[in-house]
Amino acid sequence: DAKTTQPPSMDCAEGRAANLPCNHSTISGNEYVYWYRQIHSQGPQYIIHGLKNNETNEMASLIITEDRKSSTLILPHATLRDTAVYYCIVRVNGYKLSFGAGTTVTVRA
Amino acid sequence: DAGVIQSPRHEVTEMGQEVTLRCKPISGHNSLFWYRQTMMRGLELLIYFNNNVPIDDSGMPEDRFSAKMPNASFSTLKIQPSEPRDSAVYFCASSLQALLKDTQYFGPGTRLTVL
Repeated sequence: DAKTTQPPSMDCAEGRAANLPCNHSTISGNEYVYWYRQIHSQGPQYIIHGLKNNETNEMASLIITEDRKSSTLILPHATLRDTAVYYCIVRVNGYKLSFGAGTTVTVRA
Repeated sequence: DAGVIQSPRHEVTEMGQEVTLRCKPISGHNSLFWYRQTMMRGLELLIYFNNNVPIDDSGMPEDRFSAKMPNASFSTLKIQPSEPRDSAVYFCASSLQALLKDTQYFGPGTRLTVL
C-alpha cells in the first residue's frame, strides 16, 4: 500500500472547522484515498473516500490535490462527539485496509 | 439497517479455553473481514472471505486461530487454545464486494481478555 503520513495529534475548537492533512506522495493512479475514524472503544467508522475529485457527504469533505500526493479531510463544524482517531488510508488492492497510527483529534469546548 | 453485528461484546476466559467470536454481516454484502486491534500492532487484517470462501488468511497468527463462514449471514472466529497474548479487540467488517470502491463497514468489536 502507498504509505500515508498524518500528524499524530491536533486540537480543534468546538464549532470550528477541523482540517486534517494527509500526505500520500507515492500514490498510484488507481488508488483510492479513504478516511475512517475510531471513537474510543468503538469500531472504525467510514467517513468518506475519493479517487481524484473532491468529495462531500453529510459527515465531511475530502479535498485531494491535483497531483494526488496529499489530501485534507474537513469536518465543517466540529463537535465534542468528533473527538476520535482519524485514519487516512490509501487503498491499493480490493480488500486490504492498512491502518496506520492516524491523527488523534481532540475537540475542545 | 442494523449494521454489522458481533457477539459477544466482551469475553473473559482463562488460558487454554476455547473462544468463539461471532459475526453477522450486513445483509447483501458478499465480503467479510476479521481484524484484530492491539496497542502494539494496531489494526491488522486476519482473514477475508468472499462469497463465503476464505480468500486470504495470511494474517491469521497461527494454527490456534480458525475462521469459518458457513453461510452468507454468519461467520465465526475461533481460538483454541487461547493464550494471554490473544487479548485484543476483534472486529468484523463487511462490504458489498472487495473492489477498490467498496466500503468496508465495521462492527462494534469483541473485547477479548485471556487470563
